[in-house]
Amino acid sequence: RKEVEQDPGPFNVPEGATVAFNCTYSNSASQSFFWYRQDCRKEPKLLMSVYSSGNEDGRFTAQLNRASQYISLLIRDSKLSDSATYLCVVIGNGNQFYFGTGTSLTVIP
Amino acid sequence: NAGVMQNPRHLVRRRGQEARLRCSPMKGHSHVYWYRQLPEEGLKFMVYLQKENIIDESGMPKERFSAEFPKEGPSILRIQQVVRGDSAAYFCASSPVAGTANYGYTFGSGTRLTVV
Repeated sequence: RKEVEQDPGPFNVPEGATVAFNCTYSNSASQSFFWYRQDCRKEPKLLMSVYSSGNEDGRFTAQLNRASQYISLLIRDSKLSDSATYLCVVIGNGNQFYFGTGTSLTVIP
Repeated sequence: NAGVMQNPRHLVRRRGQEARLRCSPMKGHSHVYWYRQLPEEGLKFMVYLQKENIIDESGMPKERFSAEFPKEGPSILRIQQVVRGDSAAYFCASSPVAGTANYGYTFGSGTRLTVV
C-alpha cells in the first residue's frame, strides 16, 4: 500500500468555484502534514501546513482527520492562477517526506 | 539569502554516460534531501544526507546511483551509466536541523535529466 494516495483528477472548474481535494495516508503514527503546489515543470512550493484543528489561509482551508487518516484542501473562489498540481505530503519515519502523486487543477475562465 | 541552488537546470546525457547533479543548500542548512520525479508521477524520496554522512538512502536504486555531501561544497547526486529510464526531474531540498517541525522543506528548482 502506498504511503500517500491522492485522486489525480484532473479537476476542471470555472472561476469562482469551490473545489476540494482529499488525500489518505497509511501510517497512523504520522505527525506532520503539508500541502504543496507544483506548477508545470517547476519545483514544489509549500502551500500550507495542516493542523489537527484545521487551518485557513485566505481562500485556502486545510483539514486533518486523524481517525480516518485523511487530509483535505479546500479552495474557495477559485482564480485562474490557482491552476496547478496540488501535492499532499506526509512526514514518515526518519523525517522522510512522502508525496502523493498530485491532483491536477485547471480553473477555466 | 539565496535559496536552494541546483545545477545544471537541464542535463542531456547519452546512454552509458555519467550524470552529476549538484545541490547547494540554503545558507545555514546542513541537511539535504534528494527526490526524483518521473514524468506523470509524484516525487519519490531517494536519499537524506548531512555533511559527510548518509543518513537514509532507502530510496536509492541499488546500482549506478550514489550521493555525497562533503564538508565543503555542494551535495552531488551521481548516476553512472545512465539509461533512458533515468530521465526525470531531480529535486533537492534542504533543512537547518533534523526533522522539519511544521515548516516543511524548501526545494531547489530541479535538474531535468534527459537520456538520449
